[in-house]
Amino acid sequence: GQNIDQPTEMTATEGAIVQINCTYQTSGFNGLFWYQQHAGEAPTFLSYNVLDGLEEKGRFSSFLSRSKGYSYLLLKELQMKDSASYLCAVMDSNYQLIWGAGTKLIIKP
Amino acid sequence: DAMVIQNPRYQVTQFGKPVTLSCSQTLNHNVMYWYQQKSSQAPKLLFHYYDKDFNNEADTPDNFQSRRPNTSFCFLDIRSPGLGDAAMYLCATSGGTADVEHTEAFFGQGTRLTVV
Repeated sequence: GQNIDQPTEMTATEGAIVQINCTYQTSGFNGLFWYQQHAGEAPTFLSYNVLDGLEEKGRFSSFLSRSKGYSYLLLKELQMKDSASYLCAVMDSNYQLIWGAGTKLIIKP
Repeated sequence: DAMVIQNPRYQVTQFGKPVTLSCSQTLNHNVMYWYQQKSSQAPKLLFHYYDKDFNNEADTPDNFQSRRPNTSFCFLDIRSPGLGDAAMYLCATSGGTADVEHTEAFFGQGTRLTVV
């Protein structure tokens, strides 16, 4: 079966750094996506990784290791507005997105 | 400019009364998806269209139907909504083809359905 695992909830402090991990087992691999979803809103695209390594985009970075079936999303200089759920999704061999349940990130002042 | 538009944002319907949710896109993407998302859960794919080819997920209830009259529009019909169908319904598009290296899914703002 196909499976995406990520922690259910994490708490961090404003201004700090947090790393959200994602592990996956899927039928094929055509890339891994991270989405941000605020409560009651639709997911918005953050990053895409298809090759091993780190992709940096401002305060957000995403890392991929295909051999380990592992990714993380790194958020720096946390702001209160970063409080949201972060969804990891893998595109499988049929170009379908397999979704994790999301990690709820709580930012404290 | 909104690229994937869902109407309405909030929909209240009566138990058993048919309801239709709509989605339109200005991206000219060939793939359109309907997802159901309940609180603190991952989006659950109901069906998707690759152009006019309809793909139904095996566990999507028969109560859910979809129409895509043209590239820009897609509809989700719930024939007899039950209390368990209350959820956020997300429409998404992608430009995906077998030859495209990657394309992220662009989501509409979702329609939150309440069944009373």
